[in-house]
Amino acid sequence: AQSVTQLGSHVSVSEGALVLLRCNYSSSVPPYLFWYVQYPNQGLQLLLKYTTGATLVKGINGFEAEFKKSETSFHLTKPSAHMSDAAEYFCAVTTNTGNQFYFGTGTSLTVIP
Amino acid sequence: KAGVTQTPRYLIKTRGQQVTLSCSPISGHRSVSWYQQTPGQGLQFLFEYFSETQRNKGNFPGRFSGRQFSNSRSEMNVSTLELGDSALYLCASSSAGIGTGELFFGEGSRLTVL
Repeated sequence: AQSVTQLGSHVSVSEGALVLLRCNYSSSVPPYLFWYVQYPNQGLQLLLKYTTGATLVKGINGFEAEFKKSETSFHLTKPSAHMSDAAEYFCAVTTNTGNQFYFGTGTSLTVIP
Repeated sequence: KAGVTQTPRYLIKTRGQQVTLSCSPISGHRSVSWYQQTPGQGLQFLFEYFSETQRNKGNFPGRFSGRQFSNSRSEMNVSTLELGDSALYLCASSSAGIGTGELFFGEGSRLTVL
């Protein structure tokens, strides 16, 4: 069975500060990991994904995430927060058999001017 | 390239009724998957259709069903609505399926059950 845990349902950062959103997974097989962002009243948009290869993954809008197998983590970071980053962020996992897709419970990011 | 289109965007139903939601995927995408989003349960996978066949299914009762047409458009049906079915229903399209994780989402259909 697979699951995804996002620590912190709400995170607030000041504009220009580091953004760190935490995600841990449990998977019995090598996972594929994703971060999605949801702006108010919109669907989800893929930020970045890890399947195989380089463990540091760069995505859109300056976000990146590092796959750490030893820690079963896939935390999302951005060096400097912008007001436009305020949104809900979802970590997700599947495997290469791809028969299920699991989302974390989401982290709401607030950026304080 | 047009995105994923879901209709209707908002609807209100009463308990016991049924509802049908529609999803038009990105042109060329053969996979359509459906998700239920609620404040309490978060985002939950309902099912995936690929080339008119249900390929994967989440853990939802049989009241939730779907189908996909030859043009890849998909419909989701919920019968005998319950209050707990109130949610945002999202569909996503993909060229290769949910295993790739490259899902393109529509804006959702917000269902309210009274």
